[in-house]
Amino acid sequence: EADIYQTPRYLVIGTGKKITLECSQTMGHDKMYWYQQDPGMELHLIHYSYGVNSTEKGDLSSESTVSRIRTEHFPLTLESARPSHTSQYLCASSEGGPQGGDLEETQYFGPGTRLLVL
Amino acid sequence: QKEVEQNSGPLSVPEGAIASLNCTYSDRGSQSFFWYRQYSGKSPELIMSIYSNGDKEDGRFTAQLNKASQYVSLLIRDSQPSDSATYLCAVTAEYGNKLVFGAGTILRVKS
Repeated sequence: EADIYQTPRYLVIGTGKKITLECSQTMGHDKMYWYQQDPGMELHLIHYSYGVNSTEKGDLSSESTVSRIRTEHFPLTLESARPSHTSQYLCASSEGGPQGGDLEETQYFGPGTRLLVL
Repeated sequence: QKEVEQNSGPLSVPEGAIASLNCTYSDRGSQSFFWYRQYSGKSPELIMSIYSNGDKEDGRFTAQLNKASQYVSLLIRDSQPSDSATYLCAVTAEYGNKLVFGAGTILRVKS
């Protein structure tokens, strides 16, 4: 069973507010990911990290930013929330191999954060 | 053309039947393939991973991979109402550093 945690689970916030979604994993995984998923729609990768001090933008353009100061922690920040940011945000991690390796390890997902921006 | 294609469904099967879920992918360099199950409002959970051509069985689940046809499938035997969920196919992309997810197939098992 994966030990990956996300807080808050639900967040309702007004437009213009700064928010940080927390994600932590206790498995010592090098790779971490943030996905965005609207109801009934597919997952979209918005950020990923191969390790400490490594962050990359994903396939879906996002106004959010991430940081990776510690292996276990990968927070996502929205400087100024807008209604268009309303969605579910899913964090995942994998053990991974060396960057550019052939096989991707299994990704384990956290429970998600449901964000509603009014 | 999407990188990973799945029939959105819903696929309806009676309880006890075999459910067959299919997925095609476009990147011939993909090496790793995964099936995830996602209940409504929940996060995806891994069902199976498969890396080599052929079949891989785990309990009631069998994953089948055919790299030449760029096709991966999931069979669920003795389907149960609790299997009703969205099933996501995921495939590695860009030298295995990222997963690309399909949009998912909704499965409904009727009792």
